[in-house]
Amino acid sequence: QVRLVQSGAEVKKPGASVKVSCKASGYIFTNYYIHWVRQAPGQGLEWMAIVSPSGGSSTYAQNFRGRVTMTRDTSTNTVYMELSSLRSEDTAIYYCARVSSGSGYYDCWGQGTLVTVSS
Amino acid sequence: EIVLTQSPGTLSLSPGERATLSCRASQTVNSNYLAWYQQKPGQSPRLLIFDASSRATGISDRFSGSGSGTDFTLTISRLEPEDFAVYYCQQYGSSPLTFGGGTKVEIK
Repeated sequence: QVRLVQSGAEVKKPGASVKVSCKASGYIFTNYYIHWVRQAPGQGLEWMAIVSPSGGSSTYAQNFRGRVTMTRDTSTNTVYMELSSLRSEDTAIYYCARVSSGSGYYDCWGQGTLVTVSS
Repeated sequence: EIVLTQSPGTLSLSPGERATLSCRASQTVNSNYLAWYQQKPGQSPRLLIFDASSRATGISDRFSGSGSGTDFTLTISRLEPEDFAVYYCQQYGSSPLTFGGGTKVEIK
């Protein structure tokens, strides 16, 4: 079945960087875009970025431009999200999600990765 | 950017009752590209409805979506215990993709 499995929780200090992975299985990796969405504690969902697993191109939300980088490894069917210059407000659960073919809604989500930024 | 406003913030209902959740957009949602998700504590969101009114695979027919343009509704016909959760709408007709702030459906 279609699955997205993310890396484990991270604790980082302000100013550091974090890299979260999202490993896909159960489908043709290069055929579906992957998005990243985050959710601060007790808050709603915030779209961050989209990456094309086939060509590797990315588009970022304005709030994150300059701080976020998306990469992918087609040999392991894995997408990576790196967020730099972390601040306390970046404490959140980060989700990867697959976009249904030809559309923009998410038909499969990773389990989420909690990133805590604390001194 | 399209701002989605969900109301009410919290809905207190009893099992068996009907729930009506609203999602209002600040601009027309292109092609009615609006989705609804359910999220339970400690879990990832789950797709319920896409394209405003199409049910996702495996979703009970107790869930239905309607609306167009700027006004959309998610209806749960008869609440089951497992339906008490937070519900989010999302538009994907314009970039950037945006989410509503959520409606919590709680047990009265």
